[in-house]
Amino acid sequence: DGGITQSPKYLFRKEGQNVTLSCEQNLNHDAMYWYRQDPGQGLRLIYYSQIVNDFQKGDIAEGYSVSREKKESFPLTVTSAQKNPTAFYLCASNNGQLNTGELFFGEGSRLTVL
Amino acid sequence: AQSVTQLDSHVSVSEGTPVLLRCNYSSSYSPSLFWYVQHPNKGLQLLLKYTSAATLVKGINGFEAEFKKSETSFHLTKPSAHMSDAAEYFCVVSERGSQGNLIFGKGTKLSVKP
Repeated sequence: DGGITQSPKYLFRKEGQNVTLSCEQNLNHDAMYWYRQDPGQGLRLIYYSQIVNDFQKGDIAEGYSVSREKKESFPLTVTSAQKNPTAFYLCASNNGQLNTGELFFGEGSRLTVL
Repeated sequence: AQSVTQLDSHVSVSEGTPVLLRCNYSSSYSPSLFWYVQHPNKGLQLLLKYTSAATLVKGINGFEAEFKKSETSFHLTKPSAHMSDAAEYFCVVSERGSQGNLIFGKGTKLSVKP
């Protein structure tokens, strides 16, 4: 089945550690996105990539980094510079621009900083 | 600038009764509007979208929404709630023809009582 796979589903991290969240899609989509979700806050865009080897910052990119070496993969690294990293992280993809609104989402990764 | 306001953070209905989730938007240009649903600890799924055609939009699982430009609203409705409808719902706006971001509302949690 086609879809987006995020791993791990749950992750615990000590303060000061970097952590990488995986996102893989087999939908042959060109564009991929990372969102952060906090309770009662909706979703906020961290980074997005519309083509391999290129990506752009979203609204809250500070403390995060990404790479897009393959069309299928868009990993997100939460660095120690991120002040409040505990959140639910969602990866999404589509074949158009972001403002087309039709996104396909993974099931998310919940990061907790101890 | 565009924005979206979901007027209720929590709505509770009884099974078999109508559902109304309210959304107001602000946009300088012609907006596209969307409703997404999120079940606990899952990703988001597109319910329906409005992009400029018919103002009454039908989606999956019996949901529909009406675009009312004069009221800047895009309320989500369903004639008869089912237990499986219990989830969080997000109203989303984007500006067509721009490279702009999607703006997510803060979400409305729908509870369905037996």
